[in-house]
Amino acid sequence: AQSVTQPDIHITVSEGASLELRCNYSYGATPYLFWYVQSPGQGLQLLLKYFSGDTLVQGIKGFEAEFKRSQSSFNLRKPSVHWSDAAEYFCAVGTYGGSQGNLIFGKGTKLSVKP
Amino acid sequence: GAGVSQSPRYKVAKRGQDVALRCDPISGHVSLFWYQQALGQGPEFLTYFQNEAQLDKSGLPSDRFFAERPEGSVSTLKIQRTQQEDSAVYLCASSLETGGIYSGNTIYFGEGSWLTVV
Repeated sequence: AQSVTQPDIHITVSEGASLELRCNYSYGATPYLFWYVQSPGQGLQLLLKYFSGDTLVQGIKGFEAEFKRSQSSFNLRKPSVHWSDAAEYFCAVGTYGGSQGNLIFGKGTKLSVKP
Repeated sequence: GAGVSQSPRYKVAKRGQDVALRCDPISGHVSLFWYQQALGQGPEFLTYFQNEAQLDKSGLPSDRFFAERPEGSVSTLKIQRTQQEDSAVYLCASSLETGGIYSGNTIYFGEGSWLTVV
């Protein structure tokens, strides 16, 4: 069965420092990949997605992610973190030929930002 | 409305009680999704509608869970005889076109309905 692993449950970074959140997936073919952010009491907001083409994807709020097929990874990066980036981040995968509705989410990584 | 609206935002139900959770998707959106998010977990798929047709209900955990979207807009998720393990946030999402997650359209999530079963 397809799965998504986010190895880091909680990460703390200093404001202005760079950020990388890890995501690994288990799926044989090319997946559809997503990163969402969830602030406390808020709904999920799409940061970026990868379907095909350029493996480096730009998203909103200065985030980017790189699809690496050889490593089955889709890590999220930001060069300089702002205090407002503190939230929970979810990686998700959709499988080609699978259910049109079934996004498989990781368990999330909570990001804390210290001043 | 401007976004996906869910009601009630918070619901406390006694074990065995039936609950109904409502989702108003963005106007004109064809695809509608329901997800369940337990505390400390990522969302898990429940069911998917394309207009009024329920194309996938494979994620519904038991026959106590039922979802409908009779006119292709508002959707209701009903849970009968609630159990403590049903305590979770129920997220509704919608997107513009058919094809669900493969359409390339952004999927917009609501803020969720927080259900606590006591």
